[in-house]
Amino acid sequence: NAGVTQTPKFQVLKTGQSMTLQCAQDMNHNSMYWYRQDPGMGLRLIYYSASEGTTDKGEVPNGYNVSRLNKREFSLRLESAAPSQTSVYFCASSDQVYNEQFFGPGTRLTVL
Amino acid sequence: GDSVTQMEGPVTLSEEAFLTINCTYTATGYPSLFWYVQYPGEGLQLLLKATKADDKGSNKGFEATYRKETTSFHLEKGSVQVSDSAVYFCALLFSGGYNKLIFGAGTRLAVHP
Repeated sequence: NAGVTQTPKFQVLKTGQSMTLQCAQDMNHNSMYWYRQDPGMGLRLIYYSASEGTTDKGEVPNGYNVSRLNKREFSLRLESAAPSQTSVYFCASSDQVYNEQFFGPGTRLTVL
Repeated sequence: GDSVTQMEGPVTLSEEAFLTINCTYTATGYPSLFWYVQYPGEGLQLLLKATKADDKGSNKGFEATYRKETTSFHLEKGSVQVSDSAVYFCALLFSGGYNKLIFGAGTRLAVHP
């Protein structure tokens, strides 16, 4: 039981490049989330998916797209990376009974 | 809208000192409240939670009580250890549904021997 896994752990991009961050969970959770963590700002929600086949914008969705590929996987795509997207990205999943979110280890992204 | 405010860090303590990290919230209704901990280089882990007023969450010697009258959920520990050094996040469950968490900015705790 791996919980929530994320790939890659680290990534460096140049401005304008694209990439996809991968996330998978093996806890059979319906809901999945993408957050970004910036110094002094806590975690801010980028996108979430309440269930397979649905996605919704969070607090800071601009510059990102997501895909809920199936119940297990939820990917985050940066189409044209900008330095303002330098951050640590966390994926999380939760059930709807106990409302506890479980987090992955994070992806540290630097955009030059 | 819903929000969480935490005391700014860093908080620096000696081992065996008493810890308090303040957290207050603004929300519609009575949301569930959480404390998460992030150890260096890791993701967030749930430390404790409380789902209704006057509930006390506890785990690993940490405690927090859901105070409706003061809209607070302060984190306390009677005797901290070096291994408690981490960043602590207070969060509430957004009342609009979909299990969305709203986080405070985080408080860094450094415990010295």
